[in-house]
Amino acid sequence: GAVVSQHPSRVICKSGTSVKIECRSLDFQATTMFWYRQFPKKSLMLMATSNEGSKATYEQGVEKDKFLINHASLTLSTLTVTSAHPEDSSFYICSATPGLAKETQYFGPGTRLLVL
Amino acid sequence: AQKITQTQPGMFVQEKEAVTLDCTYDTSDQSYGLFWYKQPSSGEMIFLIYQGSYDEQNATEGRYSLNFQKARKSANLVISASQLGDSAMYFCAMKLTGGGNKLTFGTGTQLKVEL
Repeated sequence: GAVVSQHPSRVICKSGTSVKIECRSLDFQATTMFWYRQFPKKSLMLMATSNEGSKATYEQGVEKDKFLINHASLTLSTLTVTSAHPEDSSFYICSATPGLAKETQYFGPGTRLLVL
Repeated sequence: AQKITQTQPGMFVQEKEAVTLDCTYDTSDQSYGLFWYKQPSSGEMIFLIYQGSYDEQNATEGRYSLNFQKARKSANLVISASQLGDSAMYFCAMKLTGGGNKLTFGTGTQLKVEL
């Protein structure tokens, strides 16, 4: 299957700093990328849909100024958690899709963020 | 709005036995896709199997099969000959054909395979 990488895999930061997470599709062009957040033992919660060359579409309740998403190319999307606070600590997962209806989303390995 | 329901928070199965993980869905759309993913403790989401709403036959992928009952809106995952490595969280998800490729996930079932 297609490969999606995510970097970093783990990050610990101080409260008030910003953290950037990268999501790359390695062997296909992703017209759309998605960013999810997952709390321990909970389901994935979609945060936003990222389309190359256009503004991200955020789900209800997700602060777009807090979680900045940039989809600069067909293989790279970034999520920046700005002015991170301990409640932002979570597991963040990205996924990418070539766009076909039957095609699954291909998920990155996730990033564990801990804000102290 | 679409909804996925997984009513089993946890399941136990003995090694080499078969296990069924339940999934029901709710949508008024006629065209959609159903997916199952496995999430081990490492956190990665592993795609297992896909069923389209217009597919007449149940999907199968190795030891995984999807028991698709459209009238009952259920899409249960059957894992045959369970292995210790099958212990993980399993998520059912749905994508509407006209829904911009967005996936809606269920709450998941934690499967534990025992000796």
